[in-house]
Amino acid sequence: AQRVTQPEKLLSVFKGAPVELKCNYSYSGSPELFWYVQYSRQRLQLLLRHISRESIKGFTADLNKGETSFHLKKPFAQEEDSAMYYCALSRGNTPLVFGKGTRLSVIA
Amino acid sequence: GAVVSQHPSWVICKSGTSVKIECRSLDFQATTMFWYRQFPKQSLMLMATSNEGSKATYEQGVEKDKFLINHASLTLSTLTVTSAHPEDSSFYICSASGGQGYQPQHFGDGTRLSIL
Repeated sequence: AQRVTQPEKLLSVFKGAPVELKCNYSYSGSPELFWYVQYSRQRLQLLLRHISRESIKGFTADLNKGETSFHLKKPFAQEEDSAMYYCALSRGNTPLVFGKGTRLSVIA
Repeated sequence: GAVVSQHPSWVICKSGTSVKIECRSLDFQATTMFWYRQFPKQSLMLMATSNEGSKATYEQGVEKDKFLINHASLTLSTLTVTSAHPEDSSFYICSASGGQGYQPQHFGDGTRLSIL
């Protein structure tokens, strides 16, 4: 069965500190992994996907198939990074399976 | 960029009323639309997947007769909550994707449904 686990409900860091939002998945195959972000009172939006191997707003995420992880990282947190982050997996055009989300709070 | 419009954004109605929520893709053809439900402080739970012109595929535990989904065109899908009760109060979010190969899902703003 497909499952996405985000172990932390809330993560608080100081501005300028490194951030790592954890995501582990279970899937019998080669999934596509995504990170979505939801800023306060805004719609859910795609932050990045593992296939692109890109850095968006300073965030990166590397797919580790051995550890079945797709942790989201940023070296220096900014206040505007405060939001709800969801890790999700899919395969082609199949529906996304979301983790429960982690609320990131960046403290000034 | 691809925009998905969801309407209404907030609706309050009496128990027993049926409520229709619309999801429109404004600048692309959405061959597939998804409907999610989100309870407070919880993640999005997929309710159903609909492909244009065919019946929706519901997830286990979702009542087909309670949540009617129609995807009659490539730009519009509707979710009708029939005979709504307080336990149906929730945040409903649609997303849409389209085209060949991998296409990302684009999300609407969501609809907050409150049943009195």
